[in-house]
Amino acid sequence: EVQLVESGGGLVKPGGSLRLSCAASGFTFSSYSMNWVRQAPGKGLEWVSSISTSSSYTYYADSVKGRLTISRDNAKSSLSLQMNSLRAEDTAVYYCARVDYDILTGPSSVWGKGTTVTVSS
Amino acid sequence: QSVLTQPPSVSGAPGQRVTISCTGSSSNIGAGYDVHWYQQLPGTAPKLLIYGNNNRPSGVPDRFSGSKSGTSASLAITGLQAEDEADYYCQSCDNSLSGSRVFGGGTKLTVL
Repeated sequence: EVQLVESGGGLVKPGGSLRLSCAASGFTFSSYSMNWVRQAPGKGLEWVSSISTSSSYTYYADSVKGRLTISRDNAKSSLSLQMNSLRAEDTAVYYCARVDYDILTGPSSVWGKGTTVTVSS
Repeated sequence: QSVLTQPPSVSGAPGQRVTISCTGSSSNIGAGYDVHWYQQLPGTAPKLLIYGNNNRPSGVPDRFSGSKSGTSASLAITGLQAEDEADYYCQSCDNSLSGSRVFGGGTKLTVL
């Protein structure tokens, strides 16, 4: 079964750090670009970051550039999101999603169930 | 404000046809980038509904269809069913924002 499982969410104070992980199974992880998408409470979907198959290319939304870092470990079929200098507006459910065919234009046909990040004092 | 504009809500009675619009610009949909549509049922992760403007993944009923023209795209749902009540999002790429994948603001579909 094709599956993505996120972990690492939790409550963190403003200015703090958190590392999210996403474990992939059921498909050849190294063959797909991956991305993180978030959804603030009661709000819509927001693309956060994407990474190419060999990590050669990474892209970030302006709202997180310089604070969040995406990475992957193909040997472990794992995707990560290091989150630093967290702000209240980073509070959201974070989804890991597989990108099909093109890192910029392809659809995301596989999604995890999400992990919740709450930034509050 | 989202780069792609969707109506906040649409509604229809069971059996009816509804459409959801997704309006962009010359830097995204109008530039020729594909539009994809996602369905998000309450409390669940998004699910890919339409990819590449008008293609349905395996398992998606043919009641769902997509189209694209100029700087806009549309999702049509025919034979509306109660289980179609959900949030719907369009997604594309924008070349005015470095490496940016963009979503519409989302449309809440209510089945009356």
